[in-house]
Amino acid sequence: AQSVTQLGSHVSVSEGALVLLRCNYSSSVPPYLFWYVQYPNQGLQLLLKYTTGATLVKGINGFEAEFKKSETSFHLTKPSAHMSDAAEYFCAVSDPPGNQFYFGTGTSLTVIP
Amino acid sequence: NAGVTQTPKFRILKIGQSMTLQCTQDMNHNYMYWYRQDPGMGLKLIYYSVGAGITDKGEVPNGYNVSRSTTEDFPLRLELAAPSQTSVYFCASTYNGFQETQYFGPGTRLLVL
Repeated sequence: AQSVTQLGSHVSVSEGALVLLRCNYSSSVPPYLFWYVQYPNQGLQLLLKYTTGATLVKGINGFEAEFKKSETSFHLTKPSAHMSDAAEYFCAVSDPPGNQFYFGTGTSLTVIP
Repeated sequence: NAGVTQTPKFRILKIGQSMTLQCTQDMNHNYMYWYRQDPGMGLKLIYYSVGAGITDKGEVPNGYNVSRSTTEDFPLRLELAAPSQTSVYFCASTYNGFQETQYFGPGTRLLVL
């Protein structure tokens, strides 16, 4: 079975600072990789995803992530944090041909004014 | 499009009671999923369906049942509620598989006492 590890259950950054949320996965085949964001009392919504092709993926709200096969990582970054970025972020993996999504345990991002 | 809708939003059950969590999507998606979200645990897949009449177990299916009689609806049934089933339940859908963006409902918060 796949596993997804998100280092740091809580991350705090100052407004305007770099956001870096870490995600590592275990897979013997190239997986599909996703980052989702969850605002309080809401469902999850997609930030970005990697399926094939370019390893640097750009998403909504200025976020991007890079698939590094050699490091089995898919870290999420944003150059300058905004107050509205405060939320819970989940990394998820699906591995073909298995019919499963695997989610990390989530990282809660706090943005300090 | 309403997307993915879930009812109820919140429910309190007594141990041993049963209930059905409703999920409907109006995007003509073939795949539908049920997850539970527990604090610090991320999302765990309970059941999924690849089309009307076809369902399969996810990572944590014990204590739950599902059916898929139409493309739009994917209800989750709890037969004998237990305190361990206290959680937030999310329904999601994709058009055609595990490589695609999942669209999530707003969630159902369930408390079993």
